[in-house]
Amino acid sequence: SQQGEEDPQALSIQEGENATMNCSYKTSINNLQWYRQNSGRGLVHLILIRSNEREKHSGRLRVTLDTSKKSSSLLITASRAADTASYFCATDVGNQFYFGTGTSLTVIP
Amino acid sequence: NAGVMQNPRHLVRRRGQEARLRCSPMKGHSHVYWYRQLPEEGLKFMVYLQKENIIDESGMPKERFSAEFPKEGPSILRIQQVVRGDSAAYFCASSPLGTGTQETQYFGPGTRLLVL
Repeated sequence: SQQGEEDPQALSIQEGENATMNCSYKTSINNLQWYRQNSGRGLVHLILIRSNEREKHSGRLRVTLDTSKKSSSLLITASRAADTASYFCATDVGNQFYFGTGTSLTVIP
Repeated sequence: NAGVMQNPRHLVRRRGQEARLRCSPMKGHSHVYWYRQLPEEGLKFMVYLQKENIIDESGMPKERFSAEFPKEGPSILRIQQVVRGDSAAYFCASSPLGTGTQETQYFGPGTRLLVL
């Protein structure tokens, strides 16, 4: 399967702490994207990192990409209760997007 | 600019009935993707369509499932003779240019199908 795999599957932290999620994939990609899904809602695009980029920032989000290891990480700094959600990485390969199973993040107020 | 719209948001069907899920892409987007999310699982790609064309349906079951994106109107995902295993959330996404072009896909809120 070319599907990405997120690690850990579930993460629980205190408000104000940083949260780090990792994603691994199996084949060469055009880009990698991170999405957030609040319970019972659709996906929201967070950030896209291209295969020739190593790091990207957007507000409290920091994404890294290591194509040699076929892995990416998403760091959320100074977490808030509103960050509680599932986070998915998605890899763009040819005509298809492949999503991982997600990391369920719980931020405790 | 309205986002991707899906309807209905919730759909209940009895086994053997048909389910029709609709997706209206964002204005100016001609590429539509359908994904299925089973409970406690990630999203699985089903089908990728452009106007009047199916580009990639490799993720869609060969039987009972079909998709279309006509020249006018929304994209339709049709499931015939539904079974309990079809119960899932079905998400539609759209993009202006399609995959491989580093385009973001914009997702709708999903249709939650429950088969009794």
